[in-house]
Amino acid sequence: GENVEQHPSTLSVQEGDSAVIKCTYSDSASNYFPWYKQELGKGPQLIIDIRSNVGEKKDQRIAVTLNKTAKHFSLHITETQPEDSAVYFCAASGGSYIPTFGRGTSLIVHP
Amino acid sequence: SAVISQKPSRDICQRGTSLTIQCQVDSQVTMMFWYRQQPGQSLTLIATANQGSEATYESGFVIDKFPISRPNLTFSTLTVSNLSPEDSSIYLCSVDEGDYTEAFFGQGTRLTVV
Repeated sequence: GENVEQHPSTLSVQEGDSAVIKCTYSDSASNYFPWYKQELGKGPQLIIDIRSNVGEKKDQRIAVTLNKTAKHFSLHITETQPEDSAVYFCAASGGSYIPTFGRGTSLIVHP
Repeated sequence: SAVISQKPSRDICQRGTSLTIQCQVDSQVTMMFWYRQQPGQSLTLIATANQGSEATYESGFVIDKFPISRPNLTFSTLTVSNLSPEDSSIYLCSVDEGDYTEAFFGQGTRLTVV
């Protein structure tokens, strides 16, 4: 089955800095790669996703890149703000329609 | 998008008892899932709730411990039985259309077993 590795587990940045979270996956059949943000006391919520026919996707301060050859994808957040503080999960699906999640990254943005 | 109402949002239960968690969706959905999220950990799939038939459990999870009902396309329950402190966790209901699209999650149920 699919295996998703996510790094780092914790990321601490100053407000205004950029943050990068990286994930690798094992199943070459995976073709859908969503990123979820989970705030305290809430369920995960999709913030951006990318499909295998696209190398990069951007939505305001958030971007995701995908390298299918290397089987890795990354989340980039620019100009971080305190409200970006949360746990971020990457996921991969395609070999199975059920997503496999990474272990999560706790992002802390210091004002 | 789907809006999911999950309840209770939290509960404290005595060991040996059971807790039933409800998940209500505002539209008919094909796929409903139950996840467990232990403190500081990722999302672990417990089972897929199938409408009109028995749930499909992942390795390490059994029906006797986690019975699931799915009476229709908008509602499901997960029961965590014979509670022990190791069951203390967040339980999440999730839905998607099973075609490699966004998954929607309830707000979670934080269970503490004492």
